[in-house]
Amino acid sequence: ETGVTQTPRHLVMGMTNKKSLKCEQHLGHNAMYWYKQSAKKPLELMFVYSLEERVENNSVPSRFSPECPNSSHLFLHLHTLQPEDSALYLCASSQGLAANEQFFGPGTRLTVL
Amino acid sequence: DQQVKQNSPSLSVQEGRISILNCDYTNSMFDYFLWYKKYPAEGPTFLISISSIKDKNEDGRFTVFLNKSAKHLSLHIVPSQPGDSAVYFCAASVWGENQFYFGTGTSLTVIP
Repeated sequence: ETGVTQTPRHLVMGMTNKKSLKCEQHLGHNAMYWYKQSAKKPLELMFVYSLEERVENNSVPSRFSPECPNSSHLFLHLHTLQPEDSALYLCASSQGLAANEQFFGPGTRLTVL
Repeated sequence: DQQVKQNSPSLSVQEGRISILNCDYTNSMFDYFLWYKKYPAEGPTFLISISSIKDKNEDGRFTVFLNKSAKHLSLHIVPSQPGDSAVYFCAASVWGENQFYFGTGTSLTVIP
């Protein structure tokens, strides 16, 4: 595998379910990000991790819980989501925080029923 | 409030012609700008960038222009090819900060 991978690619869950999104980067980067893209809205930054420590939390509801066990893996744990949380969730990585560019995974399309 | 705006949701251009995608921003502190390209079912991929010390950056068929006084940047693709059909996002940041601010994207269709 190369680049940034995300699993699952599609997820349908009920409001009472607990699920997790997984992201893995094979680029040797040390910063990772979660973004949310809702229909007709710009990408919204949710969380930033640098060297496995969270450095940014953009007022994200606690029903989203990130985890970064090492510099290659990033999880987003989901619990009691709402239908308005349905969106494309994109993971990205970069070498350093003040990086020229971020490398994105293909995203997980989440539908909350 | 959106700090980066792409006011054209879609654009159609004939193959071989120039495609011009526009982006406006409101935060005068932004000093680094990027364009990303996104195909369906894939994540955005970096295309080209420009820092505020320049007003133009060129890479092959792609040129980005920055007008700081107007808080406007544009991406020119010449000549346009059918493989350029994708959604293009502009993004802006303050160098050294953790966050890129993205526009909503413009869907470009290049007609053969």
